[in-house]
Amino acid sequence: EPEVTQTPSHQVTQMGQEVILRCVPISNHLYFYWYRQILGQKVEFLVSFYNNEISEKSEIFDDQFSVERPDGSNFTLKIRSTKLEDSAMYFCASKRTGITDTQYFGPGTRLTVL
Amino acid sequence: DQQVKQNSPSLSVQEGRISILNCDYTNSMFDYFLWYKKYPAEGPTFLISISSIKDKNEDGRFTVFLNKSAKHLSLHIVPSQPGDSAVYFCAASESGGNEKLTFGTGTRLTIIP
Repeated sequence: EPEVTQTPSHQVTQMGQEVILRCVPISNHLYFYWYRQILGQKVEFLVSFYNNEISEKSEIFDDQFSVERPDGSNFTLKIRSTKLEDSAMYFCASKRTGITDTQYFGPGTRLTVL
Repeated sequence: DQQVKQNSPSLSVQEGRISILNCDYTNSMFDYFLWYKKYPAEGPTFLISISSIKDKNEDGRFTVFLNKSAKHLSLHIVPSQPGDSAVYFCAASESGGNEKLTFGTGTRLTIIP
């Protein structure tokens, strides 16, 4: 069964460094998402991406964040200058199309900012 | 801004019995609802969904009920099995946009053998 994959599973970085989190969505999906979950809190929407552009972003997704689909398969989240409060699990999700289609999530990348 | 709330942070149920997980929402624009199951250090796994045009959807041991007037949905698991022990998240979205999901805070379900 097709699944969303994410790399790396765990990333440790120093405050102020840039990180790139990578995702490979399910191949025939058209909508892509990033969510994050800070330890002990709920899963929060960051950004949605469709037709090679951002379609919606949350207030969390400030100028330090960017997303890209550099080729036909990868979907990346870049944090330019990490802060301590960026430490969280980051989940990529994708769905085929339509309101009733399900978003399928990847296993997540645990980002630890020291 | 808690548009989706799960008021029970934890629930323990005997194996074989029914588990009922509850979720309330405040945004009347939500028209699609999902339940996800999550194990530690894994991504949310889709369980079951329901559109606002229905009031019940069933898939095997899992049934979701939607009460639009009360802005309330529930997930029933019958019979409960030890493998059902996990954190369950309720999520909601509204059509017409990019259908981002708004999640509840989760309920940790423990099935007691």
